[in-house]
Amino acid sequence: AQTVTQSQPEMSVQEAETVTLSCTYDTSESDYYLFWYKQPPSRQMILVIRQEAYKQQNATENRFSVNFQKAAKSFSLKISDSQLGDAAMYFCAYRSSRRGGSQGNLIFGKGTKLSVKP
Amino acid sequence: NAGVTQTPKFQVLKTGQSMTLQCAQDMNHEYMSWYRQDPGMGLRLIHYSVGAGITDQGEVPNGYNVSRSTTEDFPLRLLSAAPSQTSVYFCASSRPGQGAINTEAFFGQGTRLTVV
Repeated sequence: AQTVTQSQPEMSVQEAETVTLSCTYDTSESDYYLFWYKQPPSRQMILVIRQEAYKQQNATENRFSVNFQKAAKSFSLKISDSQLGDAAMYFCAYRSSRRGGSQGNLIFGKGTKLSVKP
Repeated sequence: NAGVTQTPKFQVLKTGQSMTLQCAQDMNHEYMSWYRQDPGMGLRLIHYSVGAGITDQGEVPNGYNVSRSTTEDFPLRLLSAAPSQTSVYFCASSRPGQGAINTEAFFGQGTRLTVV
């Protein structure tokens, strides 16, 4: 079974600085998808960035980028120029690329709470 | 465009009471699922469905029932609420296929349930 591990329960960053959130996963599959979700106090789950395992290029979305190391099974999220609105819980998630059964479901890490200091 | 609609947003139950959390999506997604979120535990899968009439258990199914009579609706039933079911519940939907973009999961706003 696949697992996702976020080893940093809490992180803090100064406004305008850069922070990296760690995520490792375990799988025997060769093709899969990885995601970072943001959950602000409103509880809404917001997709921040996605990565397809067959793509070697790291995904980027504005100030958000990932460092995807497939061999090491690592998927860290870098937030550049941190803003107060980035303060939230961040979840790393895995999903199999196979169709059918439970493969369509997401497997989440336990989350990292990010605080942004003004 | 409503997306995934969950009701209610908040609920307080007494131990032993029953209730149904509603989830509806208007995107014609085949996959629907229920997760619970507890502090320090992330989101854990309760039940899921790959299409109308088809449901299966996830990681933490005990104490919950589901059914999927239509593509749009996927209600979660608590038959006899227990304090251990105090949690935040999320419904999600997606379509099968290939590609992280084509199969993106959409989440409801969540339900905060307290069982006293």
